[in-house]
Amino acid sequence: DAKTTQPPSMDCAEGRAANLPCNHSTISGNEYVYWYRQIHSQGPQYIIHGLKNNETNEMASLIITEDRKSSTLILPHATLRDTAVYYCIVRAYANFGNEKLTFGTGTRLTIIP
Amino acid sequence: SQTIHQWPATLVQPVGSPLSLECTVEGTSNPNLYWYRQAAGRGLQLLFYSVGIGQISSEVPQNLSASRPQDRQFILSSKKLLLSDSGFYLCAWRKGSGSLNFGPGTRLTVT
Repeated sequence: DAKTTQPPSMDCAEGRAANLPCNHSTISGNEYVYWYRQIHSQGPQYIIHGLKNNETNEMASLIITEDRKSSTLILPHATLRDTAVYYCIVRAYANFGNEKLTFGTGTRLTIIP
Repeated sequence: SQTIHQWPATLVQPVGSPLSLECTVEGTSNPNLYWYRQAAGRGLQLLFYSVGIGQISSEVPQNLSASRPQDRQFILSSKKLLLSDSGFYLCAWRKGSGSLNFGPGTRLTVT
């Protein structure tokens, strides 16, 4: 799986959009970008994933650059409950063999009241 | 709907004692199962994963072991705990190429 780089921490004002960047310059053509978040003392929670097109769901939007070497997770209207560590992961879309996901240290997002 | 259970939620064990953490998944069949560990202030470290009953792959050599006696049951064990085994242990499941779904975790403190 490709390596990802994320800033260790970010702050965002409540009600504003939180934009979390992720660099994955070694991503290969069959690798998806996944985002998870982990609220303190809980298991990680899936947020969104995408291959090359921008994606949106009820939680967030995912913007992937045209060269796919970086992406941004957008929380459109951040609330205090969005304070968490956010993990960006890339993995191949495979249905056999080694299907593990590896997590780095992520970005600690703090929403400021 | 699918649910994943882990127990116990918290555990305090002395160095050298054995360990058994259990994880079960409901509402799906033949899932891929995973054990992760998260040390304080660190990212998630994959320990073991399993694609079927009795099939265990180890990612990190250590004094831990895993077993999958039933399709939806995954057990993490140790014969003798070390101080460095303290951490937050997470079980997760995935079906096919879907998203990874995590359990609530077990916080282990080795004293």
